Amino acid sequence: AQSVTQLGSHVSVSEGALVLLRCNYSSSVPPYLFWYVQYPNQGLQLLLKYTSAATLVKGINGFEAEFKKSETSFHLTKPSAHMSDAAEYFCAVSEGSASKIIFGSGTRLSIRP
Amino acid sequence: EAQVTQNPRYLITVTGKKLTVTCSQNMNHEYMSWYRQDPGLGLRQIYYSMNVEVTDKGDVPEGYKVSRKEKRNFPLILESPSPNQTSLYFCASSLVESGRFEAFFGQGTRLTVV
Repeated sequence: AQSVTQLGSHVSVSEGALVLLRCNYSSSVPPYLFWYVQYPNQGLQLLLKYTSAATLVKGINGFEAEFKKSETSFHLTKPSAHMSDAAEYFCAVSEGSASKIIFGSGTRLSIRP
Repeated sequence: EAQVTQNPRYLITVTGKKLTVTCSQNMNHEYMSWYRQDPGLGLRQIYYSMNVEVTDKGDVPEGYKVSRKEKRNFPLILESPSPNQTSLYFCASSLVESGRFEAFFGQGTRLTVV
């Protein structure tokens, strides 16, 4: 069965510092993997997705994630945090069934001035 | 523009008063889903539909109903809402085709049941 674990419900970094949000998944088949961002009082916005092409996926707003099959991980990174990156981030997985996407519990990212 | 539209965006209702949240997509997708978002739990699937007249339970279906009479619409029905259904609800429309996976989410409906 599919599942997603996001390590750390809250991450705080200084402006300009590296952002690293951790995501591990379990899946019995090669998965589709996603990162979504949710700004306060807004809906979900797709940051990036992995669909079995390049293992390093670049997304919007300077974010990227690397699919590591051996570690069953799909961590999200950004070299330099901006204040505008403060939001909640969700990692998600699908085993190719368009009917279901499994979400992690979310990580709230705070940026310190 | 590809879009999933939910209405209403905000709703406050009383326990036991039936309500419907509408969802419509303009992409001719076969798959549609409803999720609820609760703090610390992420998004959990309530119901999904693989095509017209084909619906099935997700992970948290209790207290909800859905219907899929037309491909574009997938309303969520709460026959007798209770306070534990206070949540943020998202409708989604998705497609998997030739290795391509597309999922679109509505803007969300914040429901409060008092």
